[in-house]
This record gives sequence, C-alpha cells and structure tokens, in this order.
Amino acid sequence: GAGVSQTPSNKVTEKGKYVELRCDPISGHTALYWYRQSLGQGPEFLIYFQGTGAADDSGLPNDRFFAVRPEGSVSTLKIQRTERGDSAVYLCASSLNPGQAYEQYFGPGTRLTVT
Amino acid sequence: AQSVTQLGSHVSVSEGALVLLRCNYSSSVPPYLFWYVQYPNQGLQLLLKYTSAATLVKGINGFEAEFKKSETSFHLTKPSAHMSDAAEYFCALDPNTGNQFYFGTGTSLTVIP
Repeated sequence: GAGVSQTPSNKVTEKGKYVELRCDPISGHTALYWYRQSLGQGPEFLIYFQGTGAADDSGLPNDRFFAVRPEGSVSTLKIQRTERGDSAVYLCASSLNPGQAYEQYFGPGTRLTVT
Repeated sequence: AQSVTQLGSHVSVSEGALVLLRCNYSSSVPPYLFWYVQYPNQGLQLLLKYTSAATLVKGINGFEAEFKKSETSFHLTKPSAHMSDAAEYFCALDPNTGNQFYFGTGTSLTVIP
C-alpha cells in the first residue's frame, strides 16, 4: 500500500521567503507528526496532530513555524521569513493511533535549503 | 524527562562480523523502544520495537535487540554483517504519551568488504 508521501522532495529558497511543505499520511492514520532532522542529528519533534487539531506544538522553534491539518488527512508545514538556520530535512510521520507502541511511519522527507 | 543516547556516531565492521550498535535511554515512565534504519535519501524504516511483551526482540533483516532495564539499554545486534546493512541507525523512545518519539543522534554503520 501507499506510504507517507511528502512534497516537494527538495526546496531551495532565499532567506526571508515563505515556504510550504506538504505531507500526505497513510490513509486511516489519525496521528500525524512533523520532525526536523539537521545534518548529523536525529529527528527532532516539531508538532503532533490528532485528527484535525494540533495536540502538541511544543517543538515548534518560534512563531515563524505553523502547521495545519484542516481535514484530518493532509498536513502542511508553513515557514515564514525563512532563515539559513531553517535548512534541514523535514520529516513527516503518521501512526494508526498515538502511543500504545504503534510505530510511526515516516515519509522520505523534504530537504529545505535556505540561501 | 526522556532522552536517548547512542554511543558511537560511526561504527565500522567487516562483512560477516558481529554488528553491535549501542542505545541507552532515560525515561521517567516505562518506555517503548524502537530501532529505525535510514538509507541515503530515504525515510526511516522500522527495524524492531520493544513493547514490554518480551525483552529480546527480533526484527527484520536478521537484527535483534535486548531490553535491559537494569542497564537502561536497548542495544541492536546482528550476528553477521552484510554490505546492504550500511546505513544510519536510530534508536527511539516512546514514553507512551502519543505525542512524540525521542530519537538518538544516530549511528552510521559502515561494512567493510
């Protein structure tokens, strides 16, 4: 079956620009997660959705970052006024149910480069 | 507080040799633990998970891991390395809150022919 998909796979943008990153989770998965992976590091949590609502956004680094999941399926991570420090791979994951040892299924990521 | 420590950011083994990747954790609640593998330009793929049913967990591609509560460890092993095992490996902790996984910084495995 189809896994988690993310678009675009690569995004190059200039400092100060706005970007949107899209995640399409596995059908039927209620939980959706965004992580950021910097070079040489493990994924770091950004935000978690249960259905349409953001259940935990404690990992968002500042108010330039925002994410939505309006219909409980596709999610978009939005970054305003991008900075060079935002360059990283942004990973999306989905899970059948949160917690209870259900694994998170990861997409291939979007590599964001801010020049 | 929850955290995961992976000792050894780079590990090299000869083809056919034992693979041992170390993971130690800190958790205020009984955790679930996972090992993921990441090949270049790909997403993370689950190797195995510990869910408290059994302390020795077997996963895909011949990998296994043993949960040792007294040592707060969940080391990943494979008896005989293959060239195809070369990848980045991540240990992750799920504190069963549903909110997030906590990942280690990863171990890059190189297999020498």
